[in-house]
Amino acid sequence: AQSVTQLDSQVPVFEEAPVELRCNYSSSVSVYLFWYVQYPNQGLQLLLKYLSGSTLVKGINGFEAEFNKSQTSFHLRKPSVHISDTAEYFCAVRHNQAGTALIFGKGTTLSVSS
Amino acid sequence: ETGVTQSPTHLIKTRGQQVTLRCSSQSGHNTVSWYQQALGQGPQFIFQYYREEENGRGNFPPRFSGLQFPNYSSELNVNALELDDSALYLCASSLASGGLYNEQFFGPGTRLTVL
Repeated sequence: AQSVTQLDSQVPVFEEAPVELRCNYSSSVSVYLFWYVQYPNQGLQLLLKYLSGSTLVKGINGFEAEFNKSQTSFHLRKPSVHISDTAEYFCAVRHNQAGTALIFGKGTTLSVSS
Repeated sequence: ETGVTQSPTHLIKTRGQQVTLRCSSQSGHNTVSWYQQALGQGPQFIFQYYREEENGRGNFPPRFSGLQFPNYSSELNVNALELDDSALYLCASSLASGGLYNEQFFGPGTRLTVL
């Protein structure tokens, strides 16, 4: 079975500061890794995904994440955040062989202030 | 290209009632998954339908059931509603092809409140 731990429930930052949202996963099999963003009263939007290949993955809105197999981590980073990045961020894993069920973490609330 | 749509956007039910939520998949997609997102939590996988048959299920009781229609739209039915069923219900569609990964696209969700 897979599980996802998002290490910070809330991350407050100032505009134009860098940010890192941490995610660790547990799985006995190979997985795909994802980060989703959810704005208030909306569904989920895919930010980026790791399937294979380069461990540094670039996504939309200037976000990137690095897959670290030895530490079973997939931390999300952005060098300079904007007010509009304020949202809930979810890390998720999926078994790379069977079905499409995503296992989500509990989420991290990113609050960007001026 | 039309994205994933869900209806209704909000609804309120009382304990013990039954509810049906609807989802229209993105054009060309043949797989739909349903998730429950309780307040302050991440989404939890309920089940998945592929070509009108359930082919994966999470840890949810049988009173959660579903259907997928020939046009790949889907319904989520919940019987004997409980207070803990209050949540945002998300539908996601994707194109399954030869067991390969394909991205899931999420709808905006239906907010269910059980009183």
